[in-house]
Amino acid sequence: EAQVTQNPRYLITVTGKKLTVTCSQNMNHEYMSWYRQDPGLGLRQIYYSMNVEVTDKGDVPEGYKVSRKEKRNFPLILESPSPNQTSLYFCASKVEGWGSPLHFGNGTRLTVT
Amino acid sequence: EDKVVQSPLSLVVHEGDTVTLNCSYEVTNFRSLLWYKQEKKAPTFLFMLTSSGIEKKSGRLSSILDKKELFSILNITATQTGDSAIYLCAVAGTGNQFYFGTGTSLTVIP
Repeated sequence: EAQVTQNPRYLITVTGKKLTVTCSQNMNHEYMSWYRQDPGLGLRQIYYSMNVEVTDKGDVPEGYKVSRKEKRNFPLILESPSPNQTSLYFCASKVEGWGSPLHFGNGTRLTVT
Repeated sequence: EDKVVQSPLSLVVHEGDTVTLNCSYEVTNFRSLLWYKQEKKAPTFLFMLTSSGIEKKSGRLSSILDKKELFSILNITATQTGDSAIYLCAVAGTGNQFYFGTGTSLTVIP
């Protein structure tokens, strides 16, 4: 089944403790991206990647890192999480080019205390 | 600043009603406009629109884009309780960035 898989689905952590949220897609998509979704603010793009070893900042990249060492994986790293990073995170992927939609993972709900 | 604005923020209707959801945008180098439905998990794709005036239709849902006035509408006819969800509008612009609206929360009462 074609899908985008995120792990974990739920995560509760404390301020300053490094964490990684994994994202993997099995559709051979070139493009992958991370979003956070907050009430009243909608989905905001954190980082995106057009292909292996190519990453770019989205609208809200501060406090996050990403890497794209393999085409299928695009992990999101929070080196020192803070409470304002408590949010619902989505990974998405798509075929390169303007005519294709984003396919989303099921989300990771992160709480930083 | 690139932005996407959806209205209304929320809507409560009875089964069988017809609803119209609005999406206006100001995005540099517009490429496409997309509609998604989000229930309690991942947004699922509904439509992608790139050309003005061409209606896209899927069952009871339809959508159209006006690139001159910079807006799109999503219509749902004969609503059902299963249509209850948040409907998201997104615009693809320069450099493969996607800009999302805050969504319209639709509740359909039996």
